[in-house]
Amino acid sequence: DVKVTQSSRYLVKRTGEKVFLECVQDMDHENMFWYRQDPGLGLRLIYFSYDVKMKEKGDIPEGYSVSREKKERFSLILESASTNQTSMYLCASGGTSGTGELFFGEGSRLTVL
Amino acid sequence: ELKVEQNPLFLSMQEGKNYTIYCNYSTTSDRLYWYRQDPGKSLESLFVLLSNGAVKQEGRLMASLDTKARLSTLHITAAVHDLSATYFCAVAPGSNTDKLIFGTGTRLQVFP
Repeated sequence: DVKVTQSSRYLVKRTGEKVFLECVQDMDHENMFWYRQDPGLGLRLIYFSYDVKMKEKGDIPEGYSVSREKKERFSLILESASTNQTSMYLCASGGTSGTGELFFGEGSRLTVL
Repeated sequence: ELKVEQNPLFLSMQEGKNYTIYCNYSTTSDRLYWYRQDPGKSLESLFVLLSNGAVKQEGRLMASLDTKARLSTLHITAAVHDLSATYFCAVAPGSNTDKLIFGTGTRLQVFP
Protein backbone atom coordinates (compact mmCIF):
# COMPACT_ATOMS: atom_id res chain seq x y z
CA ASP A 1 0.00 0.00 0.00
CA VAL A 2 1.07 3.55 -0.67
CA LYS A 3 2.13 5.33 2.44
CA VAL A 4 2.40 9.08 2.77
CA THR A 5 3.66 10.13 6.17
CA GLN A 6 3.45 13.59 7.62
CA SER A 7 5.81 14.04 10.52
CA SER A 8 3.62 16.19 12.76
CA ARG A 9 -0.09 15.64 13.29
CA TYR A 10 -0.59 18.66 15.55
CA LEU A 11 1.51 21.78 15.95
CA VAL A 12 1.04 24.99 17.90
CA LYS A 13 3.27 27.90 16.93
CA ARG A 14 3.48 31.57 17.68
CA THR A 15 3.14 34.38 15.16
CA GLY A 16 6.44 35.04 13.44
CA GLU A 17 7.91 31.60 14.04
CA LYS A 18 9.36 29.57 11.20
CA VAL A 19 7.47 26.33 10.67
CA PHE A 20 8.53 23.20 8.82
CA LEU A 21 6.03 20.55 7.75
CA GLU A 22 7.61 17.35 6.50
CA CYS A 23 6.14 14.75 4.19
CA VAL A 24 7.64 11.42 3.07
CA GLN A 25 6.22 8.92 0.57
CA ASP A 26 7.40 5.38 -0.01
CA MET A 27 6.07 4.64 -3.52
CA ASP A 28 8.74 6.32 -5.61
CA HIS A 29 6.19 8.82 -6.92
CA GLU A 30 7.47 11.65 -9.06
CA ASN A 31 4.77 14.12 -8.04
CA MET A 32 4.16 15.57 -4.60
CA PHE A 33 1.70 18.20 -3.45
CA TRP A 34 0.83 20.38 -0.50
CA TYR A 35 -2.80 21.34 0.01
CA ARG A 36 -4.46 23.42 2.65
CA GLN A 37 -7.94 22.48 3.90
CA ASP A 38 -10.30 24.99 5.49
CA PRO A 39 -14.01 24.61 6.31
CA GLY A 40 -16.21 25.66 3.41
CA LEU A 41 -13.24 26.12 1.07
CA GLY A 42 -12.32 22.52 0.32
CA LEU A 43 -8.71 21.76 -0.51
CA ARG A 44 -6.56 24.46 -2.07
CA LEU A 45 -3.23 23.75 -3.71
CA ILE A 46 -0.26 25.58 -2.21
CA TYR A 47 2.74 24.14 -4.09
CA PHE A 48 3.60 21.04 -6.02
CA SER A 49 6.69 19.33 -7.35
CA TYR A 50 7.21 17.10 -10.37
CA ASP A 51 10.78 16.20 -9.62
CA VAL A 52 13.64 16.65 -7.22
CA LYS A 53 14.62 20.30 -6.74
CA MET A 54 11.69 21.33 -8.88
CA LYS A 55 8.63 23.23 -7.63
CA GLU A 56 5.65 25.06 -9.02
CA LYS A 57 3.22 27.43 -7.38
CA GLY A 58 -0.32 26.36 -6.82
CA ASP A 59 -3.31 28.60 -6.22
CA ILE A 60 -2.31 30.05 -2.83
CA PRO A 61 1.52 30.11 -2.55
CA GLU A 62 1.83 33.42 -0.70
CA GLY A 63 3.51 33.04 2.67
CA TYR A 64 4.80 29.55 1.88
CA SER A 65 7.85 27.96 0.33
CA VAL A 66 8.79 24.35 -0.34
CA SER A 67 11.84 22.16 -0.61
CA ARG A 68 12.37 18.88 -2.40
CA GLU A 69 15.94 17.70 -2.01
CA LYS A 70 15.10 14.01 -2.32
CA LYS A 71 12.44 12.28 -4.36
CA GLU A 72 10.62 10.84 -1.36
CA ARG A 73 10.52 14.00 0.75
CA PHE A 74 8.61 17.25 0.23
CA SER A 75 8.71 19.98 2.87
CA LEU A 76 6.41 22.94 3.34
CA ILE A 77 7.93 25.99 5.02
CA LEU A 78 6.18 28.92 6.61
CA GLU A 79 8.91 31.54 6.88
CA SER A 80 7.01 33.69 9.37
CA ALA A 81 3.81 32.10 10.57
CA SER A 82 0.68 34.22 10.82
CA THR A 83 -2.68 33.51 12.42
CA ASN A 84 -4.38 33.22 9.03
CA GLN A 85 -2.20 30.21 8.33
CA THR A 86 -3.96 28.24 11.04
CA SER A 87 -5.30 25.32 9.06
CA MET A 88 -5.10 21.64 8.19
CA TYR A 89 -2.24 20.88 5.79
CA LEU A 90 -2.41 17.79 3.61
CA CYS A 91 0.47 16.29 1.68
CA ALA A 92 -0.18 14.04 -1.32
CA SER A 93 1.83 12.07 -3.83
CA GLY A 94 1.08 10.53 -7.20
CA GLY A 95 2.85 8.74 -10.00
CA THR A 96 3.05 9.84 -13.61
CA SER A 97 2.35 6.46 -15.14
CA GLY A 98 -0.92 5.63 -13.43
CA THR A 99 -4.38 7.09 -13.29
CA GLY A 100 -3.37 10.44 -11.82
CA GLU A 101 -4.86 9.44 -8.51
CA LEU A 102 -3.33 11.15 -5.49
CA PHE A 103 -2.59 9.50 -2.18
CA PHE A 104 -2.83 11.60 0.94
CA GLY A 105 -1.10 11.72 4.28
CA GLU A 106 -2.95 11.98 7.58
CA GLY A 107 -2.65 15.75 7.69
CA SER A 108 -0.94 18.28 9.96
CA ARG A 109 -3.17 20.56 11.96
CA LEU A 110 -1.34 23.82 12.57
CA THR A 111 -2.49 26.44 15.05
CA VAL A 112 -0.75 29.82 15.01
CA LEU A 113 -1.31 31.92 18.12
CA GLU B 1 -9.03 28.88 -14.37
CA LEU B 2 -10.71 25.62 -13.50
CA LYS B 3 -13.47 25.84 -10.92
CA VAL B 4 -15.10 22.83 -9.31
CA GLU B 5 -18.47 23.16 -7.61
CA GLN B 6 -20.28 20.58 -5.54
CA ASN B 7 -23.82 20.57 -4.35
CA PRO B 8 -25.28 20.23 -1.93
CA LEU B 9 -22.66 21.33 0.57
CA PHE B 10 -24.46 19.59 3.37
CA LEU B 11 -26.81 16.63 3.17
CA SER B 12 -28.73 15.09 5.99
CA MET B 13 -30.56 11.96 4.97
CA GLN B 14 -32.39 9.09 6.56
CA GLU B 15 -31.10 5.56 6.42
CA GLY B 16 -32.53 3.63 3.51
CA LYS B 17 -33.02 6.67 1.28
CA ASN B 18 -31.36 7.47 -2.03
CA TYR B 19 -29.67 10.69 -3.00
CA THR B 20 -27.23 12.18 -5.50
CA ILE B 21 -24.30 14.54 -5.02
CA TYR B 22 -23.37 16.68 -8.02
CA CYS B 23 -19.97 17.90 -9.14
CA ASN B 24 -19.73 20.52 -11.89
CA TYR B 25 -16.52 21.85 -13.35
CA SER B 26 -15.81 24.79 -15.59
CA THR B 27 -13.25 23.69 -18.21
CA THR B 28 -12.54 20.63 -20.28
CA SER B 29 -11.24 17.64 -18.43
CA ASP B 30 -11.54 13.91 -18.86
CA ARG B 31 -10.28 12.87 -15.43
CA LEU B 32 -12.34 13.09 -12.30
CA TYR B 33 -11.84 11.62 -8.85
CA TRP B 34 -14.04 11.09 -5.80
CA TYR B 35 -12.60 10.99 -2.30
CA ARG B 36 -14.06 10.34 1.13
CA GLN B 37 -12.92 12.01 4.34
CA ASP B 38 -13.95 10.90 7.82
CA PRO B 39 -13.73 13.46 10.63
CA GLY B 40 -10.14 14.02 11.70
CA LYS B 41 -8.85 11.69 9.01
CA SER B 42 -7.21 12.09 5.65
CA LEU B 43 -8.72 11.60 2.21
CA GLU B 44 -9.40 8.12 0.92
CA SER B 45 -9.77 7.49 -2.79
CA LEU B 46 -13.17 6.15 -3.82
CA PHE B 47 -13.44 6.34 -7.60
CA VAL B 48 -11.30 7.26 -10.58
CA LEU B 49 -13.26 8.22 -13.72
CA LEU B 50 -11.12 8.58 -16.81
CA SER B 51 -13.45 8.90 -19.78
CA ASN B 52 -16.80 10.21 -20.87
CA GLY B 53 -19.56 7.88 -19.78
CA ALA B 54 -17.42 6.13 -17.17
CA VAL B 55 -19.41 4.55 -14.37
CA LYS B 56 -17.94 2.96 -11.28
CA GLN B 57 -19.76 1.27 -8.40
CA GLU B 58 -18.66 0.18 -4.96
CA GLY B 59 -21.27 -1.04 -2.53
CA ARG B 60 -23.97 1.59 -2.11
CA LEU B 61 -22.05 4.25 -4.02
CA MET B 62 -22.03 4.76 -7.77
CA ALA B 63 -20.13 7.48 -9.62
CA SER B 64 -20.51 8.60 -13.22
CA LEU B 65 -18.87 11.12 -15.52
CA ASP B 66 -20.30 13.16 -18.38
CA THR B 67 -17.42 15.16 -19.84
CA LYS B 68 -19.62 16.98 -22.35
CA ALA B 69 -21.84 18.34 -19.58
CA ARG B 70 -18.78 18.75 -17.32
CA LEU B 71 -20.68 16.91 -14.64
CA SER B 72 -20.08 13.99 -12.34
CA THR B 73 -22.57 12.45 -9.96
CA LEU B 74 -22.13 10.34 -6.86
CA HIS B 75 -25.29 8.38 -6.21
CA ILE B 76 -26.05 6.89 -2.83
CA THR B 77 -28.42 3.96 -2.69
CA ALA B 78 -30.18 2.92 0.53
CA ALA B 79 -27.93 4.99 2.75
CA VAL B 80 -26.48 3.57 5.96
CA HIS B 81 -24.89 5.37 8.89
CA ASP B 82 -21.39 4.20 7.91
CA LEU B 83 -21.58 6.39 4.82
CA SER B 84 -21.57 9.52 6.98
CA ALA B 85 -18.47 11.47 5.90
CA THR B 86 -17.41 14.36 3.70
CA TYR B 87 -17.16 13.59 -0.01
CA PHE B 88 -14.94 15.53 -2.38
CA CYS B 89 -14.72 15.51 -6.11
CA ALA B 90 -11.49 16.57 -7.80
CA VAL B 91 -10.69 17.36 -11.42
CA ALA B 92 -7.42 17.34 -13.34
CA PRO B 93 -7.25 20.61 -15.30
CA GLY B 94 -5.37 19.28 -18.31
CA SER B 95 -4.16 16.13 -19.93
CA ASN B 96 -0.51 16.81 -19.15
CA THR B 97 -0.79 17.68 -15.51
CA ASP B 98 -1.35 15.59 -12.45
CA LYS B 99 -2.41 18.29 -10.04
CA LEU B 100 -6.02 18.10 -8.93
CA ILE B 101 -8.47 20.90 -8.23
CA PHE B 102 -10.95 20.01 -5.49
CA GLY B 103 -14.53 20.96 -4.88
CA THR B 104 -15.62 22.35 -1.53
CA GLY B 105 -16.91 18.98 -0.36
CA THR B 106 -20.32 17.62 0.59
CA ARG B 107 -20.82 16.73 4.20
CA LEU B 108 -23.16 13.75 4.40
CA GLN B 109 -24.92 12.82 7.60
CA VAL B 110 -27.06 9.67 7.65
CA PHE B 111 -29.45 9.26 10.55
CA PRO B 112 -31.67 6.33 11.62
